Amino acid sequence: DAGITQSPRHKVTETGTPVTLRCHQTENHRYMYWYRQDPGHGLRLIHYSYGVKDTDKGEVSDGYSVSRSKTEDFLLTLESATSSQTSVYFCAINHDRGLSPQHFGDGTRLSIL
Amino acid sequence: ELKVEQNPLFLSMQEGKNYTIYCNYSTTSDRLYWYRQDPGKSLESLFVLLSNGAVKQEGRLMASLDTKARLSTLHITAAVHDLSATYFCAVDIGGGSNYKLTFGKGTLLTVNP
Repeated sequence: DAGITQSPRHKVTETGTPVTLRCHQTENHRYMYWYRQDPGHGLRLIHYSYGVKDTDKGEVSDGYSVSRSKTEDFLLTLESATSSQTSVYFCAINHDRGLSPQHFGDGTRLSIL
Repeated sequence: ELKVEQNPLFLSMQEGKNYTIYCNYSTTSDRLYWYRQDPGKSLESLFVLLSNGAVKQEGRLMASLDTKARLSTLHITAAVHDLSATYFCAVDIGGGSNYKLTFGKGTLLTVNP
């Protein structure tokens, strides 16, 4: 276990409501990532962080924002959730810029009705 | 835009048989990763390939990387039921001080007795 905790693990909410997912790590790793996983698409990068307050967009960032105010926490926010954002969300961490693999959390299953 | 293509996407094989999963990518990279995912679970790292010609083996699985051909293979030897899972390859496109992955869509492997 790489010391990654995602919360909540499951959430059901309604269209138009704000949603925040949390990724917490105890490894002091520099890099943190948010992915979504949908059938037929594999994993797609939403946003990532390469340090406190340093974030950048991934390939599917529209409708999502992130924040990283301290090393251990990376928050993903859906400002106004839509049904197309129903997905399984994974957080991942890495410390050495790819010399070792990214380690993944257990995922958050988000359903937007 | 980097494209990562896996084939086949679905693979049903008998125990004891050999097979290969292919991962092609469209942009120069010398870092490729293989992951395994069981149904409803997170991703588990299998192999990290960091240079042309790299070969890694673990049990019945062997992975290789040919950066000139932009191709990685995951070879399964004498398959057993426990290998049934979805296998993903991922390619590092970050460059510089960043590091981020683009995933293939995954290969769903079913090993039948």
